[in-house]
Amino acid sequence: DTAVSQTPKYLVTQMGNDKSIKCEQNLGHDTMYWYKQDSKKFLKIMFSYNNKELIINETVPNRFSPKSPDKAHLNLHINSLELGDSAVYFCASRDIAGGGYNEQFFGPGTRLTVL
Amino acid sequence: KQEVTQIPAALSVPEGENLVLNCSFTDSAIYNLQWFRQDPGKGLTSLLLIQSSQREQTSGRLNASLDKSSGRSTLYIAASQPGDSATYLCAVPTSGTYKYIFGTGTRLKVLA
Repeated sequence: DTAVSQTPKYLVTQMGNDKSIKCEQNLGHDTMYWYKQDSKKFLKIMFSYNNKELIINETVPNRFSPKSPDKAHLNLHINSLELGDSAVYFCASRDIAGGGYNEQFFGPGTRLTVL
Repeated sequence: KQEVTQIPAALSVPEGENLVLNCSFTDSAIYNLQWFRQDPGKGLTSLLLIQSSQREQTSGRLNASLDKSSGRSTLYIAASQPGDSATYLCAVPTSGTYKYIFGTGTRLKVLA
């Protein structure tokens, strides 16, 4: 069973479109993250939710809107896509109850290409 | 502000060599440090998580050490194999938050 899954795996779209990426974890973790990995492979955190509550909100354009319907799911909606949004987006999860000493688990990534 | 540096950026070694990857961080007030492996076009696989109270953590041929006072961690890979070829990333939390900062990674190639 896949621990952290993302859909779609690949997403190719035109500038100006709106798209969503979905993430699900079956590990029973209370915290989920979205990361962006750019063309230079640098991984940067975007958002994090703990039990459906936003706890990390980095300096990200407000065209990006995360949503967590429950603690096992975290979605990312992107409005008015731009060329610079092309990247690989990773979802991760972790259990931070008790002090946050536990490891993160990552999904396989969604490769977004904006044309 | 936590900054994480990994040296070297790339490394190429012959099969069978023992090697060390380095991770440096600027804020030593961390509660753990995690090492990951990323294969091309794939997600990140957790290798080792070392808590701030630990000095070492081992898994198979991998050994991670942590020296908080000097802001350094090393990942030791024994008897390297071509299958070890990947990018290795370390990640540390920023002080007082659950946000992890990643290093830029070390691209390892083990030649058969």
